[in-house]
Amino acid sequence: QTVVTQEPSLSVSPGGTVTLTCGLTSASISTSYHPSWYQQTPGQAPRTLFYSTNIRSSGVPDRFSVSFLGNKAALTITGAQAEDESDYFCVLFLDGGTWVFGGGTKLTVL
Amino acid sequence: QVQLVQSGDEVKKPGASVKVACKASGYSFTSYATSWVRQAPGHGLEWMGWINNNNGDTSYAQRFQGRVTMTTDTPTRTVFLELRSLRSDDTAVYYCARTLDAFDIWGQGTMVTVSP
Repeated sequence: QTVVTQEPSLSVSPGGTVTLTCGLTSASISTSYHPSWYQQTPGQAPRTLFYSTNIRSSGVPDRFSVSFLGNKAALTITGAQAEDESDYFCVLFLDGGTWVFGGGTKLTVL
Repeated sequence: QVQLVQSGDEVKKPGASVKVACKASGYSFTSYATSWVRQAPGHGLEWMGWINNNNGDTSYAQRFQGRVTMTTDTPTRTVFLELRSLRSDDTAVYYCARTLDAFDIWGQGTMVTVSP
C-alpha cells in the first residue's frame, strides 16, 4: 500500500522559517502526482493553500511557498506568524485515479 | 459566490445507512468532479472517492468499495454520498470538495455519529 509521508509535528519561532515535506514511500514526487497543500485549524474545514502543484489559492499570504526538495514536495513558511499554527496536509494523485492524503503535520509557532 | 453547502449532522445506529448531500453554487457544475473526504475525531483527512459531475463516473478508495455510492443530481447541482453498514469507526466529519486536479473548494462538513 502506498503511503504518503509527512512530519508528524514541527515547531518554528515567530518570524522564523520552516519547511514541511510530503513524500512517497515508493517513489519520488513529481508534478505528475499533482501535490497540493491544505491548512486546517481545529473545528474548521480544510483551507486550500496550493493546488496544481504550485498555484496559490486566493488570499494565501506570500510567506507560504511550495517547491520540490530532493524527492519530496515541500511547503515553506518564511516569517512564520502565530496564526500559522495549524495542521497541514498534503495530498497526491496516484495511478488508478485515486488520491491519498499524508498523515498531516502539526505546526507549533512558539 | 463559489460554494458547497452540505446537509446537516446525522446520528445513526450501527448497521444503518447515511446519505449526505452537497449542493454546489457559483460555478459550472458539470465542469468539475466532486470528492468526499472524511476526518475521524483526532485523526487526519481520508479520501473516500470522487464522482465526475458531468457523466457520473466514479472512483472509490479500495477500503470503501462495496459500501459507498456517490451520485449526482445535475438539475439541483447536488452531489450525494451514501455509506452503508455503518460502524462506530465511521464516526467522522464528512466533507465534499470540488475537484479538478486538486481539492480547491470545500463544504463546511457534516458530522456523522454512529452510536448504538
